[in-house]
Amino acid sequence: NAGVTQTPKFQVLKTGQSMTLQCAQDMNHEYMSWYRQDPGMGLRLIHYSVGAGITDQGEVPNGYNVSRSTTEDFPLRLLSAAPSQTSVYFCASSYGGRATDTQYFGPGTRLTVL
Amino acid sequence: GEDVEQSLFLSVREGDSSVINCTYTDSSSTYLYWYKQEPGAGLQLLTYIFSNMDMKQDQRLTVLLNKKDKHLSLRIADTQTGDSAIYFCAETYNNNDMRFGAGTRLTVKP
Repeated sequence: NAGVTQTPKFQVLKTGQSMTLQCAQDMNHEYMSWYRQDPGMGLRLIHYSVGAGITDQGEVPNGYNVSRSTTEDFPLRLLSAAPSQTSVYFCASSYGGRATDTQYFGPGTRLTVL
Repeated sequence: GEDVEQSLFLSVREGDSSVINCTYTDSSSTYLYWYKQEPGAGLQLLTYIFSNMDMKQDQRLTVLLNKKDKHLSLRIADTQTGDSAIYFCAETYNNNDMRFGAGTRLTVKP
């Protein structure tokens, strides 16, 4: 199993550009989540999904969209990038809920918005 | 407050014990976790403790839980250079959510 994969590893955007961060898992996990990691702060939940076709907002959803058309994929879209979205983004998946089952994290995408 | 708090930095010498401390917020948290993040990698679950336990030991790792003070600690015995990483404390809340601390960067000096 490849586990949780994320692409790209690094990305630089200009303010106002859009892009999609890809996340895929091959463990048949129902739960998938997107977090952002900022210096001096813990991971903050952006959006999550409890299964294909179902998504919900986390702690910091503004400026981000997600969809879950398949169990395997959970892309994160930035519609109009802003410097405040400069961060490291992690995708995670788990068989059960985030708080009741082990989460497996991808390697992260480091995004810089100029 | 609503923050999970950890010291940001810890430096130890190889062979010494490391103790990383965490103060969490939700007294009803069911599970408390320690995650390890190595440079350029995602978080990896290191260990966890169920809220009805006071201590959990797993090889070189010892987790202590003080529910009265909402204090969690991770002790790494015989710390090695490969233990250098960022360690995140996390708690469950609202039955299905997790809250992470900012992480403690452990540096192990030879």
